[in-house]
Amino acid sequence: DQQVKQNSPSLSVQEGRISILNCDYTNSMFDYFLWYKKYPAEGPTFLISISSIKDKNEDGRFTVFLNKSAKHLSLHIVPSQPGDSAVYFCAACSNSGYALNFGKGTSLLVTP
Amino acid sequence: EPEVTQTPSHQVTQMGQEVILRCVPISNHLYFYWYRQILGQKVEFLVSFYNNEISEKSEIFDDQFSVERPDGSNFTLKIRSTKLEDSAMYFCASSETLPRVSEQYFGPGTRLTVT
Repeated sequence: DQQVKQNSPSLSVQEGRISILNCDYTNSMFDYFLWYKKYPAEGPTFLISISSIKDKNEDGRFTVFLNKSAKHLSLHIVPSQPGDSAVYFCAACSNSGYALNFGKGTSLLVTP
Repeated sequence: EPEVTQTPSHQVTQMGQEVILRCVPISNHLYFYWYRQILGQKVEFLVSFYNNEISEKSEIFDDQFSVERPDGSNFTLKIRSTKLEDSAMYFCASSETLPRVSEQYFGPGTRLTVT
């Protein structure tokens, strides 16, 4: 079952523009959300997270927005750089759990 | 920067054979995890391990799977009798504290191919 959904398998953005990656979740028990970035032949690398008590968290060029009523979160990258080209995974966990539940990922390509 | 390491990077085995995948978590981390990613699919949680016992496991983690921390540095995943559908990338991860408090650091993965 897909408790965390990333409906866009790929996204192409020009360098300097904004990249917006979207994620939806179905499990109401999820209250902590994360974004991971993955390059080929490497493991996922933590990028940014947000607790359900917040609706926004910012770290440099990366901002995550959470809309709890819509069960939706998004990752904004501004400005996008060619080095940002990677697969981005949305993940979620619940208050009582250890497991990260991942989406299928969105492959971001930032073109010069 | 400290990192999680995994060996081997690629393991090929025949169906029915036992395999052991090895991981060295970050030294001051207390929580350990295994995930897997079948080609083209999402990363799936298998098991978490804390204080020398399993703290959570998924439906995937059946009796064919086991985990162990044989010494102070290694963390292993054993598959007793491999099946074709066990072919996947297996990721080890570790965290200093609970997932909500500290991030999980992932290793580069072991690609398991079962023939």
